[in-house]
Amino acid sequence: KQEVTQIPAALSVPEGENLVLNCSFTDSAIYNLQWFRQDPGKGLTSLLLIQSSQREQTSGRLNASLDKSSGRSTLYIAASQPGDSATYLCAVPRSATGRRALTFGSGTRLQVQP
Amino acid sequence: SQTIHQWPATLVQPVGSPLSLECTVEGTSNPNLYWYRQAAGRGLQLLFYSVGIGQISSEVPQNLSASRPQDRQFILSSKKLLLSDSGFYLCAWRGTSDHNEQFFGPGTRLTVL
Repeated sequence: KQEVTQIPAALSVPEGENLVLNCSFTDSAIYNLQWFRQDPGKGLTSLLLIQSSQREQTSGRLNASLDKSSGRSTLYIAASQPGDSATYLCAVPRSATGRRALTFGSGTRLQVQP
Repeated sequence: SQTIHQWPATLVQPVGSPLSLECTVEGTSNPNLYWYRQAAGRGLQLLFYSVGIGQISSEVPQNLSASRPQDRQFILSSKKLLLSDSGFYLCAWRGTSDHNEQFFGPGTRLTVL
């Protein structure tokens, strides 16, 4: 059974810092890995999707890396801003059942102080 | 472009009352559809998924049910709500390729009193 873990659970940084969020998964046979952002009381916004054949994906100040063999992904946020404050979730599709439903980590709650 | 809608946005219901949450997707055809629940202090839990009209698979035994009467419509229901049904319900869709992204709706906040 796939398990996804995210570290740290919470993070508070001053504006302008570069930061790294970590995600690990137990079953390396994944099709892709997706990073989401969730603002309080809102749905999930897809940030980046990394295919299993890729090692990196970038969107603006966000860069996500994937190392399948070690079961790890990182989300790098450059020059953080107060608007980046949110919970960040990583997720991988189930390999067996659930027709590619996602298994989620518990998230990292990020607070960027102005 | 594709859009996913959920309604209502918030709902407060008494224990034992029925429930109907609706999700519709625009701009795509034959999507895989999912219902997830996010309870306070817990992660996202898959409740149901559907690969086509009338095809529903349940992940966990519970007093909820789902239906897919049309290709882009997914409904979550209950005949009698329990206190433990409170939570944030999220609908999501995905294209049918193995590598497609999954996209989520805005969610419905359900409080059962």
